[in-house]
Amino acid sequence: EADIYQTPRYLVIGTGKKITLECSQTMGHDKMYWYQQDPGMELHLIHYSYGVNSTEKGDLSSESTVSRIRTEHFPLTLESARPSHTSQYLCASSVGNSPLHFGNGTRLTVT
Amino acid sequence: DAKTTQPPSMDCAEGRAANLPCNHSTISGNEYVYWYRQIHSQGPQYIIHGLKNNETNEMASLIITEDRKSSTLILPHATLRDTAVYYCIVRTASSGNTPLVFGKGTRLSVIA
Repeated sequence: EADIYQTPRYLVIGTGKKITLECSQTMGHDKMYWYQQDPGMELHLIHYSYGVNSTEKGDLSSESTVSRIRTEHFPLTLESARPSHTSQYLCASSVGNSPLHFGNGTRLTVT
Repeated sequence: DAKTTQPPSMDCAEGRAANLPCNHSTISGNEYVYWYRQIHSQGPQYIIHGLKNNETNEMASLIITEDRKSSTLILPHATLRDTAVYYCIVRTASSGNTPLVFGKGTRLSVIA
């Protein structure tokens, strides 16, 4: 089974706080992705990276930012959380044209 | 990548075969058909993919029509744990540099 880890699994935080969602994979995959998904809705790509120091924005505009300083690590940061950021955030990785491996997600609630 | 069309929802009795259809009438010759599923509150899971030949693995079978304009994912003996949203995605083998885009999928409910 794929080794991709997301922490925290659940996060409840107040408006205005800065948060970082962690995503790490131990498979040496060059490509990593962040998707956002509201309950019962589609997944929307918000960020992706094809290698170290490479990041791109996805189809859905997001106020979050990402960084890729190391191959295995792709954290997502919200500088000032708002209730509209409440959602599930899913991280994935792949290598070449292989299928995506997903983490179990972080469920974020901003009060 | 070509667009796909799936029914929004389906029911299947436990122990019976679940047949999930997908239309991809604009598929081009070098595009593969991929299937993923997402069990409630988890990340999507890869199931199977194929180009033109039928494929089978430990999870499912994929039947692709001769004209490749549609396909069917078959879960031969559905269990309650197969209840999930199933996504059919078409993309080329060289799409590794194009992120995967998920549609609405089919919500399969396996009923005891």
